Amino acid sequence: AQSVTQLGSHVSVSEGALVLLRCNYSSSVPPYLFWYVQYPNQGLQLLLKYTSAATLVKGINGFEAEFKKSETSFHLTKPSAHMSDAAEYFCAVSTNQGGKLIFGQGTELSVKP
Amino acid sequence: EAQVTQNPRYLITVTGKKLTVTCSQNMNHEYMSWYRQDPGLGLRQIYYSMNVEVTDKGDVPEGYKVSRKEKRNFPLILESPSPNQTSLYFCASSPLEDYEQYFGPGTRLTVT
Repeated sequence: AQSVTQLGSHVSVSEGALVLLRCNYSSSVPPYLFWYVQYPNQGLQLLLKYTSAATLVKGINGFEAEFKKSETSFHLTKPSAHMSDAAEYFCAVSTNQGGKLIFGQGTELSVKP
Repeated sequence: EAQVTQNPRYLITVTGKKLTVTCSQNMNHEYMSWYRQDPGLGLRQIYYSMNVEVTDKGDVPEGYKVSRKEKRNFPLILESPSPNQTSLYFCASSPLEDYEQYFGPGTRLTVT
């Protein structure tokens, strides 16, 4: 069975600082991994996805994530945080085409001026 | 514009009063799904459908029903809502050959 663990339900960074949101997954088969962002009172927007091509994936708004099979991790990073990055971030895994996404618990990112 | 729409966006109701949340997609996707989002639990799948007239339970199906009579629509039915169904609900769709799912804007339901 697949599962996703996001380390840290709340992360706070200063504007301009590095953003690092951690995600570890468990899967018995090659996974497909996603990061979604949810801005206040909005739906989920796809940030980036890993589907077995390049292990370093670049997404929107300057975010990127690296798939590390040996560490079963897919951490999300951004070199320099912006106030507009404040949101909740969800890591998710899927092993089926057109199938269920298993979500982590979510990490709320706060950005201090 | 390709999108998933949900209605209503906000709903306050009372225990036991049947309600339906509609979901529609205009991308001709085969796969549709309902999730609920609760603090600290992320999103959990309620029901899903692989195509018209094909539906199946997800991880938290108790208290919910769905139907898929048309490819574009996938309504979520709460026959007798209870306060523990107060949550934020998302509908999603995807083509069967893809892994990415496209989400609707969400429906915030409060059951008193």
